[in-house]
Formats: sequence, C-alpha cells, structure tokens
Amino acid sequence: GAVVSQHPSRVICKSGTSVKIECRSLDFQATTMFWYRQFPKKSLMLMATSNEGSKATYEQGVEKDKFLINHASLTLSTLTVTSAHPEDSSFYICSARGDREVHEQYFGPGTRLTVT
Amino acid sequence: GQNIDQPTEMTATEGAIVQINCTYQTSGFNGLFWYQQHAGEAPTFLSYNVLDGLEEKGRFSSFLSRSKGYSYLLLKELQMKDSASYLCAPMDSNYQLIWGAGTKLIIKP
Repeated sequence: GAVVSQHPSRVICKSGTSVKIECRSLDFQATTMFWYRQFPKKSLMLMATSNEGSKATYEQGVEKDKFLINHASLTLSTLTVTSAHPEDSSFYICSARGDREVHEQYFGPGTRLTVT
Repeated sequence: GQNIDQPTEMTATEGAIVQINCTYQTSGFNGLFWYQQHAGEAPTFLSYNVLDGLEEKGRFSSFLSRSKGYSYLLLKELQMKDSASYLCAPMDSNYQLIWGAGTKLIIKP
C-alpha cells in the first residue's frame, strides 16, 4: 500500500514556542491531506482538510491562526502549532488521499507532541 | 447528526473468535472502514466494505448491512498481538471518515 511519513515522531517543546510537523506521501501524489489529533483513549478528531495549492478547511472549534497548515506540493503538508501550550500536548496524525480512489486514505505514523 | 456506536472494551482468549459490532448514522454513505490502532500508534487499515455482505481477508472478516446501519469485524484464531483498539469508521457523503472512540480488545492467554 501507499506510504505516508511524518516527522518528527516525537517532540518536546517549551510553552510559547512553535512546532512544525511534516507529512509526506512517499510514493503517490496526495491531492488531499487530513490532520487529526487524538487524546488518550479518545477518538481521532479531524482538525482540518487541505488540498494542494489551496487554503485548508478547518473544522469547527479549531483555531486556524494557532494551527497553521500548508499544503504546498502534492507530496508535502505541514502543520505548525504556534505558541504551543501544555493543553496542545497530543498525538497528531496526518493522512493522505490521492485522486485515483477517493475512498483510500493512508495514515502517517503520528507525532507525539509534549508541551512543557 | 453523525454517530458511531461500538463497545468500549472487550476481552477474549488467545485462539478464540471475537466479533466487534458497530452501528452508525451518517449523512450519506460511501462505505465503511475498519482500522486497528495499537497504543501510541496511528491507525492501520484492515478492511473496507461498500456493499452489503461479508468480506473475508485471512483471519479478519468484515460484514456490512447498509439498511441496518450495522457492521461487524470478526477476528479468528486470536493472537496476543491482536490486542489493540479497533475503529469502525464510516465515510459520509463528503468522503470524510467519521470516527468513534473504538473498541479496546484485550487478549488473554
């Protein structure tokens, strides 16, 4: 199956700093990428959907100025958590979808963010 | 609204069979996915059903009844490594996956 990578896999940062997470599709062109966050023992929560070359569509309650998403190419999307606070500590997962099969969505391995 | 209902937790014995049920309500329907998620890891794809009936893939099978808004995942010959959360995720009319909290499956020797 298709491969999606995320970097870094784990990051610890201080409160007030910004953190960038990269999501790459390694062997296909991802026309759409999704960013999720997941708290322990909770369901995945969709944060935003991004299409290559256009602005991301954020879900209700997700601050677009705090969670900056850039999908500049067909293989790369980035999520920047700006001015991070301890409550932003979570597991962030990206997934990518190509244009061949709209129902196929491939997940990255996730990024564990801890804000101290 | 959109809703997923799965048992929170199930326990089974190594070598046995377990069935995880899922009922759902979505705005439109474009198939239903089952994912496996080990603690601290991202979900991995198990199965996709878009038509009614049973899809078998090795030790795992998935069933769908669209009219009933019902699906199940059947795991046979359980192994200790099958201990994980199992996520039922229907896809709505916008091709978005709808997620519940999943079923935590505990396998005992």
